[in-house]
Amino acid sequence: AQKVTQAQTEISVVEKEDVTLDCVYETRDTTYYLFWYKQPPSGELVFLIRRNSFDEQNEISGRYSWNFQKSTSSFNFTITASQVVDSAVYFCALSEAHDMRFGAGTRLTVKP
Amino acid sequence: DTAVSQTPKYLVTQMGNDKSIKCEQNLGHDTMYWYKQDSKKFLKIMFSYNNKELIINETVPNRFSPKSPDKAHLNLHINSLELGDSAVYFCASSQDWAALNTIYFGEGSWLTVV
Repeated sequence: AQKVTQAQTEISVVEKEDVTLDCVYETRDTTYYLFWYKQPPSGELVFLIRRNSFDEQNEISGRYSWNFQKSTSSFNFTITASQVVDSAVYFCALSEAHDMRFGAGTRLTVKP
Repeated sequence: DTAVSQTPKYLVTQMGNDKSIKCEQNLGHDTMYWYKQDSKKFLKIMFSYNNKELIINETVPNRFSPKSPDKAHLNLHINSLELGDSAVYFCASSQDWAALNTIYFGEGSWLTVV
């Protein structure tokens, strides 16, 4: 069975700090995808990134970056120079067989 | 245009009532889903349809009945609502059933059963 663990339930930082959200997954498949979604206070789920199991290149998109390490089964998400608008619940998810399983989410609060 | 739209966004109803949440996607996707998010923010898949056919049916009470009149629509009907049904229900879609596709979510429907 696939499983996604986001050990950090809540994180609070001050604006401009860097913050890393951890995600550890379990799967027996060699082919799978990992995702991050953002859920701001307004409630919608916003897709951020998808990474397949064969591509371990790190990715950077503006202030966001993702570190995928198969050796440790981790797919961590870093926000650089955080802003108040980054405050949200962030979900890591794993997809291997026709459905997506989510972690419990990490609530990030960025204070001004 | 909203890619995945669901209505109503907010629904407050009494125990025992029957209610429906409608969902439509204009992305041309073949696969649609219903997810439930509980008060602790935990997201869990309920159903998945591919080209109007039921693919995934997680352990969900049979009071919940999805209906897909065409591949662009997946409605959720709930009979005899219970307090524990209070949650946010997300409709979603993905390109096809080839797996591993990105799932795009609607804005959620907040259901409160009183």
